Amino acid sequence: NAGVTQTPKFRILKIGQSMTLQCAQDMNHNYMYWYRQDPGMGLKLIYYSVGAGITDKGEVPNGYNVSRSTTEDFPLRLELAAPSQTSVYFCASLHRGEQYFGPGTRLTVT
Amino acid sequence: GDSVTQMEGPVTLSEEAFLTINCTYTATGYPSLFWYVQYPGEGLQLLLKATKADDKGSNKGFEATYRKETTSFHLEKGSVQVSDSAVYFCALSSNRDDKIIFGKGTRLHILP
Repeated sequence: NAGVTQTPKFRILKIGQSMTLQCAQDMNHNYMYWYRQDPGMGLKLIYYSVGAGITDKGEVPNGYNVSRSTTEDFPLRLELAAPSQTSVYFCASLHRGEQYFGPGTRLTVT
Repeated sequence: GDSVTQMEGPVTLSEEAFLTINCTYTATGYPSLFWYVQYPGEGLQLLLKATKADDKGSNKGFEATYRKETTSFHLEKGSVQVSDSAVYFCALSSNRDDKIIFGKGTRLHILP
């Protein structure tokens, strides 16, 4: 199993640009999550999904959108990038109470 | 709501020193408790877990005991190594919903 994979690893965006952060898992886990981690800080939940077709807001959803058309994929969309969205983004799945994290995407908005 | 509080860092120790990172929680019911570790430039990975009171989780020389009476899950290691330098997150999983609650993380520096 590849586990949870994320692409790209790094990205630099200009203010106002859009992009999609990709996340995929091959463990057939129903629950998936997007977090952001600002420098020196803990994790903040952006969105999560309990299964294909179902998504819900987390703690900091503004400026982001998600979709979950399949069990495997859970992309995160930024429509109008702002400097406040500079962060490291982690995708994760959950199974039997244990969270499995991807390697992260480091995003810089300038 | 449910919450996790862990000691603020950074924590700096010399190699072979004894480590304790405190973690307390607030939750209704009987949550599962976790310690995750994040090495530089990587995602979080599970270090150890305990699913019920008085359980002891252990891995790589680290231990933590689920203490319901003090609502604590302190992380300990008898002799730390430089390679243990990382950020450590305490977390809980409530059986009532679908989210893991993370503490803010404690950065650990081990000096050779």
